[in-house]
Parts: sequence; C-alpha cells; structure tokens
Amino acid sequence: SAVISQKPSRDICQRGTSLTIQCQVDSQVTMMFWYRQQPGQSLTLIATANQGSEATYESGFVIDKFPISRPNLTFSTLTVSNMSPEDSSIYLCSVFRGPETQYFGPGTRLLVL
Amino acid sequence: AQSVTQLGSHVSVSEGALVLLRCNYSSSVPPYLFWYVQYPNQGLQLLLKYTTGATLVKGINGFEAEFKKSETSFHLTKPSAHMSDAAEYFCAVSDQGAQKLVFGQGTRLTINP
Repeated sequence: SAVISQKPSRDICQRGTSLTIQCQVDSQVTMMFWYRQQPGQSLTLIATANQGSEATYESGFVIDKFPISRPNLTFSTLTVSNMSPEDSSIYLCSVFRGPETQYFGPGTRLLVL
Repeated sequence: AQSVTQLGSHVSVSEGALVLLRCNYSSSVPPYLFWYVQYPNQGLQLLLKYTTGATLVKGINGFEAEFKKSETSFHLTKPSAHMSDAAEYFCAVSDQGAQKLVFGQGTRLTINP
C-alpha cells in the first residue's frame, strides 16, 4: 500500500482567489494523479503528474486553471486558480503502486463562497 | 473508451442481510476492475481488485466480487451486512496499465438496524 497525506484537509475560500493543495507520499513514485469529486458525483481525473515533466491534463481541464508542480518523486501540488463556487469539490491525489493499484490520499474538501 | 455503470445510486439493506452492489463495465481491452469504498469525510480505500486469474476475488471486510466477462459485470457482495459497512462504494475500470481509472457514479449503502 501507500501512505499519502494531503494539506489542507479542508478550506473555505472566496471566489477569485487561488488555493494550493499539497500531496506527500511515503516513498518515491513515478506517477501521481489528481482527481476531483464534485458534490454527490464520482471521481474525475484532472491530470497525471510525472516528475521532471509537465503534467498531462484530461479533456476539460487546463493548466491555467489547475497548475500542477512535481518537484520530486514524493511530492506534488495542485493549485485551483481564480476559484468560483463551481470549484467546490473534494480534490484527491493518488499514486500508482504495484501491483496494478492506485492508492488515494484522504482528500482536500474545498468550499468556495 | 472505457466506462462503468453502477446500478442504483442508493442501496439500503438490513443489518445481517446480503449486500449486492452492481457494476457493469465497457472496455475494448481486457479490463482491470476495482472496488473502492469511501467512508464519510475520508478518502478512498481499496476493497478488492481483479486483474488476471481467478474470477472470484476476495477483499477486505468480508467483501467479494466476481468478474463475469460474458456479462461484463463485476458485482460486489457481502453475505451479512454490518452497520460499519455504511459508506459510498465506487467501481472502477482501467486498461492493463492501471494508470488511468474510470469510475462509476458510486452507490451509497445504508444499513438499517
């Protein structure tokens, strides 16, 4: 398995501001993933973050809105920029750890007013 | 493209009764299939997975699931429900790289005393 922590665990933000979410893993991993879970919805992949290269974004998600950093093999950040109430969601990071399994962090619960 | 359909957004059973949560998938390649559970205000925890081999897989907390290729199904069962099973359950599919998960809409399981 994997031990994954996220900061902050929750936040309430004003529209137009930005929030950076941190994800820390207990050991080195090649790929880290960021998901969004809107209220009452399932999880949707935002982007995949590889160390040393730009993140790969899924359809409907853009770097200007969700910039991602991956400075080393155990850490990543996701920024939610210029927030609106529609960005209120749970944001989860995950890592791929063999065999063939993704493990998830506890999530960051974001409310935008 | 892969997709997952979970039949029933809400399932309610009595304590001690059989739990059956339905999941059907669509995949153009042999799939990897997963069940995750999300307890209130927590992240996702892996319940069980199917990759290859035996089609009946056992997971944590007494849950099991059977991969039926002919029915494109991966239903989750537990013989006797416990109050602590109340949670949101997500079925997910990936290709054999298991590095991009597609989730179903989730099923909220309620246990009645």
